[in-house]
Amino acid sequence: EAGVTQFPSHSVIEKGQTVTLRCDPISGHDNLYWYRRVMGKEIKFLLHFVKESKQDESGMPNNRFLAERTGGTYSTLKVQPAELEDSGVYFCASSQVNSYNEQFFGPGTRLTVL
Amino acid sequence: AQTVTQSQPEMSVQEAETVTLSCTYDTSESNYYLFWYKQPPSRQMILVIRQEAYKQQNATENRFSVNFQKAAKSFSLKISDSQLGDTAMYFCAFREGGTSYGKLTFGQGTILTVHP
Repeated sequence: EAGVTQFPSHSVIEKGQTVTLRCDPISGHDNLYWYRRVMGKEIKFLLHFVKESKQDESGMPNNRFLAERTGGTYSTLKVQPAELEDSGVYFCASSQVNSYNEQFFGPGTRLTVL
Repeated sequence: AQTVTQSQPEMSVQEAETVTLSCTYDTSESNYYLFWYKQPPSRQMILVIRQEAYKQQNATENRFSVNFQKAAKSFSLKISDSQLGDTAMYFCAFREGGTSYGKLTFGQGTILTVHP
């Protein structure tokens, strides 16, 4: 069974540009989460999808970030326009609906904004 | 809001020895889950062990065990017989109970290096 995949693995962009990150969850996982780790700090929650619906987007930093999950499958996270403080590693995780809700993480996308 | 604190930015241990990583958390919830995740260098994060707050018995997974002190809000990870493959960043995480899903709140992480 394929794990959670993320694309690209690394992105370097100029301030003001747009970047779109993609996450493909494990097949059959209705829950999909985005997290971010800024250099040297803790991993922080961004938002949570249940299928195609946003269940919790309380961690989204501002309206420059837009997340979608078309058809309840893969998800994209767009940053437009990117700022220097957006640099960090963006993780995606997915899980089934069960009592433990073990979240399986992707390898992350390292975003560098210059 | 819940907070998770890992006070040890870095730890090191000799192969075959035992090491304990510390984690404390703050919450007003009575029903929750605690996790330790491991991220090896250049690899993705994987779950090491989990603990349900309502269970008094400490969780154990092979060489990994936890010391869960609910009253003290402490959740340390003990790695016995350390192996070179245990070298990784370790994250302590908290999740509210009550639903079958929910966001994780992470600590800052502890870099563990196992020396031969």
